[in-house]
Amino acid sequence: DGGITQSPKYLFRKEGQNVTLSCEQNLNHDAMYWYRQDPGQGLRLIYYSQIVNDFQKGDIAEGYSVSREKKESFPLTVTSAQKNPTAFYLCASKDLYNSPLHFGNGTRLTVT
Amino acid sequence: DQQVKQNSPSLSVQEGRISILNCDYTNSMFDYFLWYKKYPAEGPTFLISISSIKDKNEDGRFTVFLNKSAKHLSLHIVPSQPGDSAVYFCAASSLTTGGTSYGKLTFGQGTILTVHP
Repeated sequence: DGGITQSPKYLFRKEGQNVTLSCEQNLNHDAMYWYRQDPGQGLRLIYYSQIVNDFQKGDIAEGYSVSREKKESFPLTVTSAQKNPTAFYLCASKDLYNSPLHFGNGTRLTVT
Repeated sequence: DQQVKQNSPSLSVQEGRISILNCDYTNSMFDYFLWYKKYPAEGPTFLISISSIKDKNEDGRFTVFLNKSAKHLSLHIVPSQPGDSAVYFCAASSLTTGGTSYGKLTFGQGTILTVHP
């Protein structure tokens, strides 16, 4: 079955450490996205990539970095510069036509 | 600046009745609107969408209405079922700011729908 795999489901880190969240898709989608969800808020766009080796900042990119070396993979690194890293992180992908975003099941990151 | 707002944090409905979820937006550049359903600890799943050239789109029990002059959209679920209990997000995008792929979505805060048996 095609889909988006995010791992791990739960992640715990100490403050000051960088952490990388994995996102893999086998839908052959060109575009991939990272969103963040906080309690009582909608999803906010962190970074997105429409093609391999290219990516753009979203609305809340500060403290995050990404890479897109392969079409199927779009890892997100939460750096120590991110002031409020504890959140639910969602990866999504879509093709380049007017089709909706497909989301993974998310990674809940807790930084203490 | 919240460009997409869902002013009702929660909605409770009896099974078999209609559920109406509302969403308002402020950015007149938005021309594509979607509704997603989300269960706890899972990613959102796409429900239904509508482009600004239409004012209604139906898919089974789900109908989305768009009122461009009021910058308002609503999702109707008829009849509501207990399995519909989830958080519902509306989202909006623009051809000019979202790119050709409409992937840059602006989400509302979500409405928790509870359907009682």
